[in-house]
Amino acid sequence: AQTVTQSQPEMSVQEAETVTLSCTYDTSENNYYLFWYKQPPSRQMILVIRQEAYKQQNATENRFSVNFQKAAKSFSLKISDSQLGDTAMYFCAFFTNAGGTSYGKLTFGQGTILTVHP
Amino acid sequence: SAVISQKPSRDICQRGTSLTIQCQVDSQVTMMFWYRQQPGQSLTLIATANQGSEATYESGFVIDKFPISRPNLTFSTLTVSNMSPEDSSIYLCSSRVDLNTEAFFGQGTRLTVV
Repeated sequence: AQTVTQSQPEMSVQEAETVTLSCTYDTSENNYYLFWYKQPPSRQMILVIRQEAYKQQNATENRFSVNFQKAAKSFSLKISDSQLGDTAMYFCAFFTNAGGTSYGKLTFGQGTILTVHP
Repeated sequence: SAVISQKPSRDICQRGTSLTIQCQVDSQVTMMFWYRQQPGQSLTLIATANQGSEATYESGFVIDKFPISRPNLTFSTLTVSNMSPEDSSIYLCSSRVDLNTEAFFGQGTRLTVV
């Protein structure tokens, strides 16, 4: 079974600064996908960034980038030039399309509450 | 990607009653998922709903308590039956266009049972 661990329950950062959210995972699969989702107080889950395990290059989306360390099973999210609108709960998630009982399912970490201060 | 419309967005219900939550997707999808999220907590998968077959429930969730319908490839409902205050939570539906793409979510339903 897959597990996803976010060891930082809460983080805070000043506006315009950079913050890194940590995520580790455990799996025996070789092909899988990793995601960061953002959930603001509106409750809507919003995809921030995705990474395919077979890609060595780290994914980037504007101010958001990841540090994907496959051997270490680590997948951290870096937010540059933080904005007030980045305040939300962030979830790391894992997915594999291999067969078995986890087929098609996302496994979520515990979440990290990020607060951006003006 | 696709868009899921979920309703109601919130409701306050009396214990012992039932609430049905609906999710409408703007494109055809094979798999739909229902999650429960306690305030400030992570998402817990309730069940997977495939069109044309019985939903598959995760450990700790049963069909009598959370019956699910999946009449076609764009729609699903989750009913929370015989509610108690412990059922107060956020319920979210989710899907993906295919298994190589990210999941997308409805807006969530905040349920309070009094």
